[in-house]
Amino acid sequence: AQSVTQLDSQVPVFEEAPVELRCNYSSSVSVYLFWYVQYPNQGLQLLLKYLSGSTLVKGINGFEAEFNKSQTSFHLRKPSVHISDTAEYFCAVSMNLQGAQKLVFGQGTRLTINP
Amino acid sequence: NAGVTQTPKFQVLKTGQSMTLQCAQDMNHNSMYWYRQDPGMGLRLIYYSASEGTTDKGEVPNGYNVSRLNKREFSLRLESAAPSQTSVYFCASSERPLAVITDTQYFGPGTRLTVL
Repeated sequence: AQSVTQLDSQVPVFEEAPVELRCNYSSSVSVYLFWYVQYPNQGLQLLLKYLSGSTLVKGINGFEAEFNKSQTSFHLRKPSVHISDTAEYFCAVSMNLQGAQKLVFGQGTRLTINP
Repeated sequence: NAGVTQTPKFQVLKTGQSMTLQCAQDMNHNSMYWYRQDPGMGLRLIYYSASEGTTDKGEVPNGYNVSRLNKREFSLRLESAAPSQTSVYFCASSERPLAVITDTQYFGPGTRLTVL
């Protein structure tokens, strides 16, 4: 069965510092990986996704993630964070369920940016 | 273009009461989903509709029913609410029929439900 583990439930960083949010997955088949962001009191929106090809994926708001098949990881990074990046971040793996897509989400990582 | 809209935004119920959460999308998407979000557990799929006229169970369907009213609307019903159903509920949609595995899902703003 496919599963996703986000290793940190909370990550506090200072403004303009770099950040890495960790995500590991388990799957026995081809994987399609997503990062979603949830700003306070809002729904989720897509940051980036890995489907195939280059293992370094660039997303919105300066975020990028690297797919590492040997380490079964898909960590999210940003070289310099802003206060506006304060949000909860979810890693997800997409799988086929009875002919339809199912997203399996990690537990989420709450990113807090301190001035 | 409002995307995915949900009503109501907040709701408080007593144990045993029933209610329907409404979801609509204006992106002409084929597939729609209902999730619940609980602290420390990410989002879990309750039901989905891979295309108009079909619905199927997800991970946690017990205590819920759904109706795909038309291509735009997908409602979630709690027949007899229980405190364990206190959660934030999200509706989502994706473009292609059969909810193709590589599709992006677009989420609504959520409904915060408390069952006393």
